[in-house]
Amino acid sequence: GIQVEQSPPDLILQEGANSTLRCNFSDSVNNLQWFHQNPWGQLINLFYIPSGTKQNGRLSATTVATERYSLLYISSSQTTDSGVYFCAYETDSWGKLQFGAGTQVVVTP
Amino acid sequence: GAVVSQHPSRVICKSGTSVKIECRSLDFQATTMFWYRQFPKQSLMLMATSNEGSKATYEQGVEKDKFLINHASLTLSTLTVTSAHPEDSSFYICSARDPGGGARTQYFGPGTRLTVL
Repeated sequence: GIQVEQSPPDLILQEGANSTLRCNFSDSVNNLQWFHQNPWGQLINLFYIPSGTKQNGRLSATTVATERYSLLYISSSQTTDSGVYFCAYETDSWGKLQFGAGTQVVVTP
Repeated sequence: GAVVSQHPSRVICKSGTSVKIECRSLDFQATTMFWYRQFPKQSLMLMATSNEGSKATYEQGVEKDKFLINHASLTLSTLTVTSAHPEDSSFYICSARDPGGGARTQYFGPGTRLTVL
């Protein structure tokens, strides 16, 4: 299967800092998405981004499909940004998702 | 946005008993729902795909007789962990796609934390 590598595995940020999370794929993937899992376990959709760049408030994402990677940018981080960030891709037409291992982010006041 | 609920949020049971977890799409109809399992400090692993009106499709290594899935309506899927054992303790999460939601995004339930004593 396609290998998904997320980096860094852990990230500690001071409030207000910016950061970049990366997702690398060993082969082309379909319908890449980014999710945030909050400390209580709830997953929230951040971006559906098979290619190109999208922005939503302080978050933005870029996928370069031809080079098999995607980036998630967090600007002016806040404590509420803490949690685990996952990239995932669809493995079939039903929408089954294969998740990366995640990046654990802790934002300190 | 679309909302998916799960019940219960937390359950503790004795070894050998069965536990049922419900997943509901509250404001849309979901012909397909997914069940994931997440162990501590690990990623989500897909267990099965639940299709309304037909048998669930299980991922390799997931015992279909142990994890019974029923998708009885367009808004409800249930996962029953039969004869639960301590190794089944995990965080179970369901998701559903909103076919009318445009992009191929999935909405996730809040999860059910199962502890088997």
